[in-house]
Formats: sequence, C-alpha cells, structure tokens
Amino acid sequence: EVQLVESGGGLVQPGGSLRLSCAASGFTFSSYWMHWVRQIPGKGLVWVSRINADERRTGYADSVKGRFTISRDNAKNTLYLQMNSLRAEDTAVYYCARDLFGAASMDVWGQGTTVTVSS
Amino acid sequence: QSVVTQPPSASGAPGQRVTLSCSGSSSNIGSNTVSWYQQFPETAPKLLIHSNNQRPSGVPDRFSGSKSGTSASLAISGLQSKDEADYYCAAWDDSLNGPVFGGGTKLTVL
Repeated sequence: EVQLVESGGGLVQPGGSLRLSCAASGFTFSSYWMHWVRQIPGKGLVWVSRINADERRTGYADSVKGRFTISRDNAKNTLYLQMNSLRAEDTAVYYCARDLFGAASMDVWGQGTTVTVSS
Repeated sequence: QSVVTQPPSASGAPGQRVTLSCSGSSSNIGSNTVSWYQQFPETAPKLLIHSNNQRPSGVPDRFSGSKSGTSASLAISGLQSKDEADYYCAAWDDSLNGPVFGGGTKLTVL
C-alpha cells in the first residue's frame, strides 16, 4: 500500500524548533518530488516547501524562507522539515505529499501532524 | 490572501450539475496545468483532477476539469450528498517557484 506517515508535531514555544518526519512506503520514494503543505484548522491549504527527487533542489514559501529547511533521505524513504524560529502563525496541521509530475499534482498525502506554537 | 481565487461557497441540489471556478494569473494557471483536490473535515486532501482534466484511477467520471487562459473549472455532474466537501484548485506558480492553492470552495448539497 502506498502510504505517507508524518510524525514529530507537538507543542513548542515561540522561537523554538521542531523537526517533522514523513515516512514513505509502498512506492519508489527516490523517484518523486515531495512537498510539505500546511493548513490552519478551518482555513485553506498553503504550500510550505518542496524538494526534488534528487535532493538537490528545494523551494520555500516566502513565509518560511530562512527558517524552515526541507530535506530527504532516499535511503531511509523519509522526508523531513526542520522548523526553526517558530512563530504563532506557524501553528497548523502539516501534511507531506507526493507529487506525480513535479508540478502541483499531489496524489498521495499523509494524515497530517499538528504543530502548535504557543507559550 | 491567495493569488489564485475561488468563490468561498457553492451549492446545488442532488442530481444537478455544479461548476466551481478558479481564477489565477499568467504566472500560474496561465502557464501551468491545474489540479483539483477534494477535502472532507479532519481528513487529508484527495487529488481529483490533474493536468487540467485528467482523473486519477478511482475518481468517478462525474468529476471533470477544464482550463481556459488564466481560469479553470471543476464540474460535478449528478451531484450527490457525499460530494459535500471543500474543493481546492492548485497550479505551479513560476514567480513563487512552487505550487499555489486557491482559497477553496465549500460545496453544499441542498
């Protein structure tokens, strides 16, 4: 079964750090671009970051640039999101997603992990 | 506020056909393909349409997508109560160098 499972969410104080993980199974992880997308409950989807299949090229939304770092370990079939200098506005459910074609066609999503930034 | 615009709500009666719209710009919809996602409360989004009008395996043919210029549409025919959900369009944005989502449309089946 093709599956993505996120972990690492939790409660963190403003200015703190957190690392999210996304474990992939059931497909050739190293062949696909991957994304992180977040959603404040009751609000819309917002793209956060992406990484190409070869691990060399990344992209970030302006709101997280310089604070978040996306990475992947193709040997471990795992995607990561290192989040530093967290702010209250980073509070959201974070989803990892597989991209079919390297565009905006995300065909497999994890169940989401909740990040709460609060003192 | 998203650079891709969707009406916040839409509605239709069972059996009807509804069309959800998505408006962007030359840097996103105008130059890249559009995807559509369906999301139920407390669950992850599901890909409904990719490449403007292609349905992944398992998506009913009641769902169809189209694109013209800087706008796109998702049509749902034979509306059913189980179609009541949030629908998002998305496209790659060349200025952002990443995907951009519309704000979403909440579809209510009357």
